[in-house]
Amino acid sequence: QKEVEQDPGPLSVPEGAIVSLNCTYSNSAFQYFMWYRQYSRKGPELLMYTYSSGNKEDGRFTAQVDKSSKYISLFIRDSQPSDSATYLCAMTPSNSGNTPLVFGKGTRLSVIA
Amino acid sequence: DAGITQSPRYKITETGRQVTLMCHQTWSHSYMFWYRQDLGHGLRLIYYSAAADITDKGEVPDGYVVSRSKTENFPLTLESATRSQTSVYFCASSEGVSQPQHFGDGTRLSIL
Repeated sequence: QKEVEQDPGPLSVPEGAIVSLNCTYSNSAFQYFMWYRQYSRKGPELLMYTYSSGNKEDGRFTAQVDKSSKYISLFIRDSQPSDSATYLCAMTPSNSGNTPLVFGKGTRLSVIA
Repeated sequence: DAGITQSPRYKITETGRQVTLMCHQTWSHSYMFWYRQDLGHGLRLIYYSAAADITDKGEVPDGYVVSRSKTENFPLTLESATRSQTSVYFCASSEGVSQPQHFGDGTRLSIL
């Protein structure tokens, strides 16, 4: 079993829809969670960074962590065609640890106008 | 502007040739990373470096060599390129090994 699982998609939604992107993980030591957005032919860019459980909101984006289920989500409200990209989750046990981030494989999202 | 620059953006070469991909960062970050990204595999870590002259293997290091003589540069060399090394290569940097990483825009490498 991979440490981090992420449905590759593609996920296609109409403009204005609420999008839910998810990752599951197996290592209960993970405490810091990130979401990256990667546009075509570009590098990933950090979108959200959260610690432990709970929600974090930034504009139309909400990151949610459920440590009991080992499950993280990224919600996008009022999705726009400009949100079309690949979304990668990443996680680590500690922000001062000695091991690199573990990335999911990414979910490709298309928002259709 | 602080950032991370990869060169070249595109490269075509032949099997058996040596290829060096360049990465330069202006963030003054201690850590630098090389990944390859392939369909179905996502990002896979090749090598990373904590500081000048300190490097560590990642998940897929075979066939690759890295060096870090200056903090801001982290070149990746394919000593004898093979077709299986055709991929998109990303360089990244961060303040700590488990801190959020900043990525370059990648080098698209084709080996014929």
